[in-house]
Amino acid sequence: ETGVTQTPRHLVMGMTNKKSLKCEQHLGHNAMYWYKQSAKKPLELMFVYNFKEQTENNSVPSRFSPECPNSSHLFLHLHTLQPEDSALYLCASSLYVGNEQYFGPGTRLTVT
Amino acid sequence: GESVGLHLPTLSVQEGDNSIINCAYSNSASDYFIWYKQESGKGPQFIIDIRSNMDKRQGQRVTVLLNKTVKHLSLQIAATQPGDSAVYFCAENPRMDSSYKLIFGSGTRLLVRP
Repeated sequence: ETGVTQTPRHLVMGMTNKKSLKCEQHLGHNAMYWYKQSAKKPLELMFVYNFKEQTENNSVPSRFSPECPNSSHLFLHLHTLQPEDSALYLCASSLYVGNEQYFGPGTRLTVT
Repeated sequence: GESVGLHLPTLSVQEGDNSIINCAYSNSASDYFIWYKQESGKGPQFIIDIRSNMDKRQGQRVTVLLNKTVKHLSLQIAATQPGDSAVYFCAENPRMDSSYKLIFGSGTRLLVRP
């Protein structure tokens, strides 16, 4: 295992639901990331947090809202999603921004 | 309508043979490159990295080669095993606007024939 855990592993939600994805890293890293991986596109960076501060928002729609309460935990709050948001959402962490990233197993999200 | 998945190039090799997976990167200013392996149902797993001041770096059974002249990166896997079957991604950091943003390639699927 990589030391990065994600819950839930699978999530099915309706377009009017609100849900949250959780990521926790046990590596003592200072940077955390959210990625989206869909069948139609290569891996896409969504957000970057460095020492709990958001340093990157890669033009992500506001229906995705990240939260980083400390360097070990990262959340992705979801509301009023669209079917095209169905994808694998991956969390990653690195010691510092610029080092190699370690990924969690992902949350497979299906929006119905 | 019917959804169309991302078409991944596929490399099929015989178990025990060497594999070479290629990647063309886009930005000549990129100075850091990583290879990841992603098995079905798992997140990408770090394999090996290389910085632009190097041409070659070796790990356990893997070698990464960097040709900056033609912006080409390759991953060589020696004595390929069934457990090597996965999708392999290269990633570059173009170091644009001083931020760190890995740009991932679309991946290559490696199939190992027994």
